[in-house]
Amino acid sequence: EAGVAQSPRYKIIEKRQSVAFWCNPISGHATLYWYQQILGQGPKLLIQFQNNGVVDDSQLPKDRFSAERLKGVDSTLKIQPAKLEDSAVYLCASSLDLFSGSYNEQFFGPGTRLTVL
Amino acid sequence: AQSVSQHNHHVILSEAASLELGCNYSYGGTVNLFWYVQYPGQHLQLLLKYFSGDPLVKGIKGFEAEFIKSKFSFNLRKPSVQWSDTAEYFCAVKVSFQKLVFGTGTRLLVSP
Repeated sequence: EAGVAQSPRYKIIEKRQSVAFWCNPISGHATLYWYQQILGQGPKLLIQFQNNGVVDDSQLPKDRFSAERLKGVDSTLKIQPAKLEDSAVYLCASSLDLFSGSYNEQFFGPGTRLTVL
Repeated sequence: AQSVSQHNHHVILSEAASLELGCNYSYGGTVNLFWYVQYPGQHLQLLLKYFSGDPLVKGIKGFEAEFIKSKFSFNLRKPSVQWSDTAEYFCAVKVSFQKLVFGTGTRLLVSP
C-alpha cells in the first residue's frame, strides 16, 4: 500500500516569498492533517480536513497560511509571505475517517523541510 | 490547556541497557495516549497506544508503556535496547476530533 506522499522534500526561500507544499494521502483516507514541526519541538497541528471540509484550523496563522483540499483527496498548504520563523518541517498525515466512531491511526508522510533565509 | 511533557531531550545508552523515557500529560478529558517513533530518514510511525483497559500496553519491537493515571504519566520502556532503536521518540495525547498534541520528543542514541 502506498503511503502518504509529499513534495517537495526540501525548499529554500527568502523571507517575504511565497511557497506551496503538496500532499497526497493514502487512498481512501477521508481525514488529512497538516503539522508544523519546528526544530527541537514536536509536531503541531495546523489544520485538519475531513474530505474537503475544514474540521480544525485553530492553530493556522491565517494571515499568511492557507490550505485547501478542493476535491477531498490531495491538499496544498501555502505560506505567503514567509517569515524566518516559518522554517520547519511540514508534515502531512492521513487517517481513515474522523467520524467512524473509533480512533483511526494517523499515517505520516516524509515531510517538507522549509528553510527561510 | 492540553500539553505533553517529555523531560529527557537526549538519552545515550549502550546496547542491552534498559530504557525508560518519561512522558507526563495535562488533559482533563478521556485520556488516549500514544508513543510515536521516527527512525533516521524515516516517517513518524506509531509505536503503541493506550485507550482503555490494561494500563500496561505492549507495542512493536519489544516496547511497552505504562499508563499511571494518578501520576498523569505514560512512560515508555524497553528491557534491552539495540543499536537499531536509535531514533526520536514522541509522546502524544489525543484531544478533540482525533487531534494529537505531541511532546517535544526524546532523541535516543544507542551505541553498539
